[in-house]
Amino acid sequence: QPVLTQPPSASASLGASVTLTCTLSSGYNNYNVDWYQQRPGKGPRFVMRVGSGGNVGSKGDGIPDRFSVLGSGLNRYLTIKNIHEDDEGDYHCGADHGNGTYFVWVFGGGTKLTVL
Amino acid sequence: EVQLVQSGAEVKRPGATVKISCKVSGYTFIDYYIHWIKQAPGKGLEWMGLIDPEDGETFYAEMFHDRVTVTADTSTDTTYMELSSLRFQDTATYYCATLQGHWGQGTLVAVSS
Repeated sequence: QPVLTQPPSASASLGASVTLTCTLSSGYNNYNVDWYQQRPGKGPRFVMRVGSGGNVGSKGDGIPDRFSVLGSGLNRYLTIKNIHEDDEGDYHCGADHGNGTYFVWVFGGGTKLTVL
Repeated sequence: EVQLVQSGAEVKRPGATVKISCKVSGYTFIDYYIHWIKQAPGKGLEWMGLIDPEDGETFYAEMFHDRVTVTADTSTDTTYMELSSLRFQDTATYYCATLQGHWGQGTLVAVSS
């Protein structure tokens, strides 16, 4: 099954841009990854899905155009432009893996985004 | 509008069993698998298992397979997650979710003596 690796923390100033990274383990470069935003004290909120070719499908409800994704090799990126205060929180990536007789949904450790 | 609405917070003793519900609306219940995810305080997300509401087939994570049971009631569009032999380390918020991006609001389970 894939392993997803995320840096534990990131920071960016109000109005700036930040790119968060989720790295798949070797051999899983064709996997899609979902990004989730979790504001302090709230549950996860789907942002969007990204594959090796970029965005897959629609953004989550209410996700602004400031959020975009990119995929390259084993890396899946989430970029937030013009950062707002309410972008602060934890960002998780997840990927599902199964073959009909086996299933697992794995998550990265999450990146805590601090808005300066 | 798709909604997953979970039951309220629980406080349990070690060794007890907790059963959490997740009622869905806004889509056809049998169309999507329902997953259960654990988030311990200050920690990341941990997948526990899933159910296919259409036929009741389940898959469980290795870490939980001997203590978790997920069921679905198609008459009420509700899934249930039962976790037995509770330990202090089971104190967490539990979420139901679909891979289509819909999440419940979470249910806090506190295990305390």
